[in-house]
Amino acid sequence: QQQVKQSPQSLIVQKGGISIINCAYENTAFDYFPWYQQFPGKGPALLIAIRPDVSEKKEGRFTISFNKSAKQFSLHIMDSQPGDSATYFCAGRSNTGKLIFGQGTTLQVKP
Amino acid sequence: EAGVAQSPRYKIIEKRQSVAFWCNPISGHATLYWYQQILGQGPKLLIQFQNNGVVDDSQLPKDRFSAERLKGVDSTLKIQPAKLEDSAVYLCASSSIRGSYNEQFFGPGTRLTVL
Repeated sequence: QQQVKQSPQSLIVQKGGISIINCAYENTAFDYFPWYQQFPGKGPALLIAIRPDVSEKKEGRFTISFNKSAKQFSLHIMDSQPGDSATYFCAGRSNTGKLIFGQGTTLQVKP
Repeated sequence: EAGVAQSPRYKIIEKRQSVAFWCNPISGHATLYWYQQILGQGPKLLIQFQNNGVVDDSQLPKDRFSAERLKGVDSTLKIQPAKLEDSAVYLCASSSIRGSYNEQFFGPGTRLTVL
């Protein structure tokens, strides 16, 4: 199975709050789990990524938590800012480099 | 370094017409991908090239879609004839080494509207 399921579909957070987006995957052969950020009219851009042998990765305000046994991973955005308002996609990568994307989460951070 | 270039940025056509999209990847990137992103969904891989050879085209509707990557650099994606459900953003991405952790860099996309 190749699916990656992402939730919620949309999220509204106050400035300074924590944004949490969740993903679940089925393919245990995925070797890399990136998160992409997409602004309107732009292509997706890599935000942060994790390998399945690591349980957590933090880069600045962005943290990925990874639960291999549950086949779930999540993105936490600490101290959310209006500039973080965008669509976020999780993905799983196959051994050929093919990315299977989730459905996306539209985040709105209110000032 | 220059990013992935795509043209045109927007295209409006009638159903049953033909359309072509062009992509110039980041210099030196051997792997090139074409994705289809329907409004409100995540990108879906249509075709992946390694240099000028096809690695994966399992989700390319081959009765109407075709793609080529001449000389392992630029690529063209064609739709002939277009259907209403082809309305989407077509994204091109490139990466430097297949199967590594190297990230895929995406272009701005071509927004296709089929009327």
